[in-house]
Amino acid sequence: QKEVEQNSGPLSVPEGAIASLNCTYSDRGSQSFFWYRQYSGKSPELIMSIYSNGDKEDGRFTAQLNKASQYVSLLIRDSQPSDSATYLCAADSGGGADGLTFGKGTHLIIQP
Amino acid sequence: EPEVTQTPSHQVTQMGQEVILRCVPISNHLYFYWYRQILGQKVEFLVSFYNNEISEKSEIFDDQFSVERPDGSNFTLKIRSTKLEDSAMYFCATTSGVNTGELFFGEGSRLTVL
Repeated sequence: QKEVEQNSGPLSVPEGAIASLNCTYSDRGSQSFFWYRQYSGKSPELIMSIYSNGDKEDGRFTAQLNKASQYVSLLIRDSQPSDSATYLCAADSGGGADGLTFGKGTHLIIQP
Repeated sequence: EPEVTQTPSHQVTQMGQEVILRCVPISNHLYFYWYRQILGQKVEFLVSFYNNEISEKSEIFDDQFSVERPDGSNFTLKIRSTKLEDSAMYFCATTSGVNTGELFFGEGSRLTVL
């Protein structure tokens, strides 16, 4: 059973600080990893994708991937109240399959 | 900004009835998906569709479910003989195909089975 695990939170971070979200995955065949943001009652929205080991930065967001440890993380710098949402980590299924396996998400709260 | 459109936004049905959920993908996207999210649970993959046929389906997507693209624009999910446990938010998602995990989700169709 392919699993993506996340701490459900809530993770509470002061405004302006760095929020650090973590995720582990079970399938070593997974090659592509994604962070989606989901506001309450809304649909997921892609924030970051990462395909190779190391860091990938996009504005205030940095995704980190360590395939040896099967670990993915998302850093949000200068956190804003509008960043308060559930962050979903997702991994592909490997072997050319195209359905994503999602984690249950981490609920992030940015305190003004 | 292009978007994925889903209808209805909310459907209430009696157990045993059939429902059809509709999606209009982004026009130049080639890969279409249905995912579902039971309240408080994770987003789960149901099925992917490419070139007018199913390319992959999950264990959830059994004979109760079917998909089709009847008219070249709509992409539909049919759920036959609905059960209480089918109550969930159903999301249509599409992608251009370059990176199939970079999905654009519709706003979802909430299905309530009574």
